Amino acid sequence: GAGVSQSPSNKVTEKGKDVELRCDPISGHTALYWYRQSLGQGLEFLIYFQGNSAPDKSGLPSDRFSAERTGGSVSTLTIQRTQQEDSAVYLCASTLGPETQYFGPGTRLLVL
Amino acid sequence: AQSVTQPDIHITVSEGASLELRCNYSYGATPYLFWYVQSPGQGLQLLLKYFSGDTLVQGIKGFEAEFKRSQSSFNLRKPSVHWSDAAEYFCAVAPGGSGTYKYIFGTGTRLKVLA
Repeated sequence: GAGVSQSPSNKVTEKGKDVELRCDPISGHTALYWYRQSLGQGLEFLIYFQGNSAPDKSGLPSDRFSAERTGGSVSTLTIQRTQQEDSAVYLCASTLGPETQYFGPGTRLLVL
Repeated sequence: AQSVTQPDIHITVSEGASLELRCNYSYGATPYLFWYVQSPGQGLQLLLKYFSGDTLVQGIKGFEAEFKRSQSSFNLRKPSVHWSDAAEYFCAVAPGGSGTYKYIFGTGTRLKVLA
C-alpha cells in the first residue's frame, strides 16, 4: 500500500501476556519510529531505526519492551509480561530523512 | 535538554473565528519544526513544516505557522476555523542538519469548535 500500515488495529490482552505489534512502513523509507500515546498524553518516543545503523532505544520504558526491524522494512514491537500501564495507542511512523513523518493508524492496546 | 511546550491543553473557538495554537521549543540550534493534526480515531497528518527560509509557512487546510527565532516559537494560525478542524494538534521539532532525526513532540492541544 501507499501508506504506513499497522496490525492489529486493536489488541486486548491479559496482564502478564506477551504481545507483538507490527508496522509496515512506506516502501523505501529508511527510518522507522515507534511512539506510545497514552490517554490525554502526547507522543512518547520509544525507538528509532535508521538504515543499517544500531537503533536508538533510548525511549523504551523498560526491558520488557523490545523492537526489531527485519530487512530494513517491517518492524515488530514486542512487549513482554504486559502490565496495565502499557495500555495505550502505539504509533509507527516512517520517513526518508529529516522530512515528514508518515504515521500509521496505530494499534490500540488494552491490558486487562 | 530539548523540549517542546504547548501551553494550551484545550482551546475552544466558535466556527468562523480565528485560531492561534502556541508552540515553544528549547533547542540549541535552529531545528526543523512541524505541526501535525490528529482527528478522532485517525493517525497523525502533517499540516506544515519549516526547515529554513521564509519564516511564514503555509500548510494544508488553510493553516499557516510563523517561526520566530527570538521567541523560540512556532505558532499555528488559521483565520477562520471550520467545524471539521476539531482535533488534536501536535507541534514537533527535529534536529536540523545533524543527520540524526529524533523528533520531539509536544503534549498536544485539543481544539473544540462551537457551531
